[in-house]
Amino acid sequence: GAVVSQHPSRVICKSGTSVKIECRSLDFQATTMFWYRQFPKQSLMLMATSNEGSKATYEQGVEKDKFLINHASLTLSTLTVTSAHPEDSSFYICSASDRRSSYEQYFGPGTRLTVT
Amino acid sequence: KQEVTQIPAALSVPEGENLVLNCSFTDSAIYNLQWFRQDPGKGLTSLLLIQSSQREQTSGRLNASLDKSSGRSTLYIAASQPGDSATYLCAVQAGTALIFGKGTTLSVSS
Repeated sequence: GAVVSQHPSRVICKSGTSVKIECRSLDFQATTMFWYRQFPKQSLMLMATSNEGSKATYEQGVEKDKFLINHASLTLSTLTVTSAHPEDSSFYICSASDRRSSYEQYFGPGTRLTVT
Repeated sequence: KQEVTQIPAALSVPEGENLVLNCSFTDSAIYNLQWFRQDPGKGLTSLLLIQSSQREQTSGRLNASLDKSSGRSTLYIAASQPGDSATYLCAVQAGTALIFGKGTTLSVSS
């Protein structure tokens, strides 16, 4: 149980375009989903926290107009990178908390974004 | 501000050795501490979760300890195998967010 999927696993896009990444909890209802970014040889950095049906809370330094997060249902959150630039190239990982346990997070397999 | 540090950054050992990975955190007000494994280009696999009221957790060849008062945790891997080669991440939870260390990259040679 507690499986989280991400789609796509890899995406290459041109500079200036937008790309959407989906995060789904497959066998549980996730009241809270988290989006992390990981640069090479660096740790995971929390970008934003989203609760179903409400606006996401962004960490300091993360542009909310650039990284649009939607958490429309208890099983789906999306991250849209708008007007992508090469510096946005990174590994994006989502996680989800089961509504029965607000502390344990289950992680998706990640999405490798490359902006050319 | 909570900071998580992992030492060493990289470790190479021959197969069969027992080893210890270290994690320290600056603020002892945590709900829990987790150890994850990350293979290159992949997501995270949760290994062990220690609640703040616990001192250790064990799973197979893995044993994790937590000393909240001193802000330290260790991950002990017994009888290491080449398949254990990966990056091991430590993360503490305070509130809803997880704060991660940079990880220890382990290489086990056969």
